[in-house]
Amino acid sequence: QQQVKQSPQSLIVQKGGISIINCAYENTAFDYFPWYQQFPGKGPALLIAIRPDVSEKKEGRFTISFNKSAKQFSLHIMDSQPGDSATYFCAASGYNKLIFGAGTRLAVHP
Amino acid sequence: DTAVSQTPKYLVTQMGNDKSIKCEQNLGHDTMYWYKQDSKKFLKIMFSYNNKELIINETVPNRFSPKSPDKAHLNLHINSLELGDSAVYFCASSQVPGSGGTGTDTQYFGPGTRLTVL
Repeated sequence: QQQVKQSPQSLIVQKGGISIINCAYENTAFDYFPWYQQFPGKGPALLIAIRPDVSEKKEGRFTISFNKSAKQFSLHIMDSQPGDSATYFCAASGYNKLIFGAGTRLAVHP
Repeated sequence: DTAVSQTPKYLVTQMGNDKSIKCEQNLGHDTMYWYKQDSKKFLKIMFSYNNKELIINETVPNRFSPKSPDKAHLNLHINSLELGDSAVYFCASSQVPGSGGTGTDTQYFGPGTRLTVL
């Protein structure tokens, strides 16, 4: 019940395309859903986050869509750039901790 | 200034040895964490401290012992290192543990320590 399932495991997108990463959770006690971005050799860094009382949040080219009834949320990266190539983790907050999805390796080809 | 720092960045050691990783945060946060990231990039929480008190211990072997001398520091000591301990260990901090409902639960990660046990 504390799992967060993330897909796909890896994603290849052409420059300018849209990258979409999906996550699903089971426990309705989770109340904060951040996305973290990790570049090789670096620690994860918060990219964007949403609370379950909001269905969408947009920050620049990054948008989170949240479906509370389906217990699913997704990250959309518009106009994907080679500099977006990284590993992306969704997470859910509950029980005094963040539970991370397994990560998605995104490669944006020029 | 680095918000969350860890030392060392790389650690190569023999099986059976004892080693420590240090973490410091200058964000004024009350909560600190240790995560393990395995070769498949999976991030798993190991420990969490709030105001120097242990609040989460995720069934980590007792060879791993965290120590928090003050709110700004959380060190990880590992006894009798095993091959399976090889991973990247991340320290993180946040203002409050878990979701405070106020946006103060963002976790800030350090750069990681790559531990290789031979």
